Amino acid sequence: SQTIHQWPATLVQPVGSPLSLECTVEGTSNPNLYWYRQAAGRGLQLLFYSVGIGQISSEVPQNLSASRPQDRQFILSSKKLLLSDSGFYLCAWSVPRHLSYEQYFGPGTRLTVT
Amino acid sequence: SQQGEEDPQALSIQEGENATMNCSYKTSINNLQWYRQNSGRGLVHLILIRSNEREKHSGRLRVTLDTSKKSSSLLITASRAADTASYFCATVVRTSYGKLTFGQGTILTVHP
Repeated sequence: SQTIHQWPATLVQPVGSPLSLECTVEGTSNPNLYWYRQAAGRGLQLLFYSVGIGQISSEVPQNLSASRPQDRQFILSSKKLLLSDSGFYLCAWSVPRHLSYEQYFGPGTRLTVT
Repeated sequence: SQQGEEDPQALSIQEGENATMNCSYKTSINNLQWYRQNSGRGLVHLILIRSNEREKHSGRLRVTLDTSKKSSSLLITASRAADTASYFCATVVRTSYGKLTFGQGTILTVHP
């Protein structure tokens, strides 16, 4: 069966510090991968998605970047965090099968920038 | 602006009652999905309905889709306290590589 891991679960970082959040998927190959941010427990905002190694599409211009160094690894980074980067970050994967694209989410990382 | 908008924003009911949540969207879609999120957790996929389908069932869940009105509804029958969560609709447009556009969600509270 497929599983998705995210770490760390929680993170408190000062303004101006770097960020690296990691997401890995097991049990599937060539998944589509997604990073979302959720503010205040409400709607999700798609930040990045990737359809293959080294292929990253950005949805919203911002202080963050993403990379996919391996097929099942997706990393979210920042060189200098802003207060507005605080939020709940969720990684998800999907397999394009019959264009269904249901997504499977990781447990999330709660980031607080102080 | 969000593709999907849920209504109501919050819903409070008693155990055993039915809960209905609505979702409206703006552009043509390939499919519409409903997700559930328990507080502080990741989202869980509940059900998917394709643009050529009008109704779908899964256990106590019933989803309808009206493409002419660009709207969908999620009905949870015989609700339980464990159904307390946030519920989100999300749409996939045809050329989007499976990108989901989420609404703001409905917070459902089921009182025992």
